[in-house]
Amino acid sequence: SQTIHQWPATLVQPVGSPLSLECTVEGTSNPNLYWYRQAAGRGLQLLFYSVGIGQISSEVPQNLSASRPQDRQFILSSKKLLLSDSGFYLCAWSVLGTERNQPQHFGDGTRLSIL
Amino acid sequence: LAKTTQPISMDSYEGQEVNITCSHNNIATNDYITWYQQFPSQGPRFIIQGYKTKVTNEVASLFIPADRKSSTLSLPRVSLSDTAVYYCLVGGYQKVTFGTGTKLQVIP
Repeated sequence: SQTIHQWPATLVQPVGSPLSLECTVEGTSNPNLYWYRQAAGRGLQLLFYSVGIGQISSEVPQNLSASRPQDRQFILSSKKLLLSDSGFYLCAWSVLGTERNQPQHFGDGTRLSIL
Repeated sequence: LAKTTQPISMDSYEGQEVNITCSHNNIATNDYITWYQQFPSQGPRFIIQGYKTKVTNEVASLFIPADRKSSTLSLPRVSLSDTAVYYCLVGGYQKVTFGTGTKLQVIP
């Protein structure tokens, strides 16, 4: 069966520090991968999605970036964190398909607090 | 991408059937409608998906009228553990747009 792992579960970082969040998927090949951010009490905001290694689409201009160095690995990074980067970060995967909207499967998320 | 509109919140007593309606006036021909459930501090969980008419699984039913401009998630006999945020999504094959969701509070 397919599983998705995100780490760390919680993270406290000072303003201006770098960030690296990692997400890996097991049990499937060539998945679509997604990074979302959820502010407290708000909906999910799509940040990045990827349909293949090295292929990243950005949905929201910001100081975050994403990379996909391997088929089932998705990394969210920042060189300098801002206070506004605080939130709940979720990674998700879906089957790469063209005929229908494939359901997304989410990880347990990373709670990021910027001090 | 089609935008969705849902009620912000709903309350229901335990044991009742709950219907949550989502509007998606600009749904495209190849878009499916997907519903997710999210508990606090967890990622959303897929509940059900449909294209037209009615879909039923062990958790919920999804009703979609012929014009597909809205859909209704039906949860039979809710329990306290169904208290969560429910998202209606409409999108293409690569990405979807999450709306604000409906916060369902089940009351004892």
